[in-house]
Amino acid sequence: DAGVTQSPTHLIKTRGQQVTLRCSPKSGHDTVSWYQQALGQGPQFIFQYYEEEERQRGNFPDRFSGHQFPNYSSELNVNALLLGDSALYLCASSLGSQTRTDTQYFGPGTRLTVL
Amino acid sequence: ILNVEQSPQSLHVQEGDSTNFTCSFPSSNFYALHWYRWETAKSPEALFVMTLNGDEKKKGRISATLNTKEGYSYLYIKGSQPEDSATYLCAFAGGTSYGKLTFGQGTILTVHP
Repeated sequence: DAGVTQSPTHLIKTRGQQVTLRCSPKSGHDTVSWYQQALGQGPQFIFQYYEEEERQRGNFPDRFSGHQFPNYSSELNVNALLLGDSALYLCASSLGSQTRTDTQYFGPGTRLTVL
Repeated sequence: ILNVEQSPQSLHVQEGDSTNFTCSFPSSNFYALHWYRWETAKSPEALFVMTLNGDEKKKGRISATLNTKEGYSYLYIKGSQPEDSATYLCAFAGGTSYGKLTFGQGTILTVHP
């Protein structure tokens, strides 16, 4: 059983560009959450998708958007990249509505560097 | 603003030592407390999900306790081994969140052989 997978592993972009990160959830999971981890900090919640809808959003600007597909995979898009967007982006999957108490399974992350 | 604090920030111990670290979180609107272990270049690995005050959970040499009334959780590692070296993260889930986890900054544990 494949766990949560993310692509690409690493990415280098320049300021002002746009980027798309991808996530495939663990088999059987229908909920995907995205987190940003800046250096020296814990992961910060960006948003969560369930049934192809954004269910909850953290304190991130509208430059951060996402999508969930019918097969539950998800994309994170960031427009107008800033140097401060350089971080590790983590995807986590879980099942259904009880994601507060159910384990969220994380992927290995995508390392984004903005120059 | 929700504050989840972990201490210490980093810890160096010798192989065989037992160790513990702390996670502090808001005592109001509590729903669950998650613990993760994150080894370098790997995915964060779930250790425990704790929901009830007084909960104690154990996985091998690692155990955790929960006090929701005062807002803290302890993670214990008995007889530390070099393979226990990792960052240990706790994450708070509040009553108003569907699944948003608010993480602490982590405790970096290094176990020296």
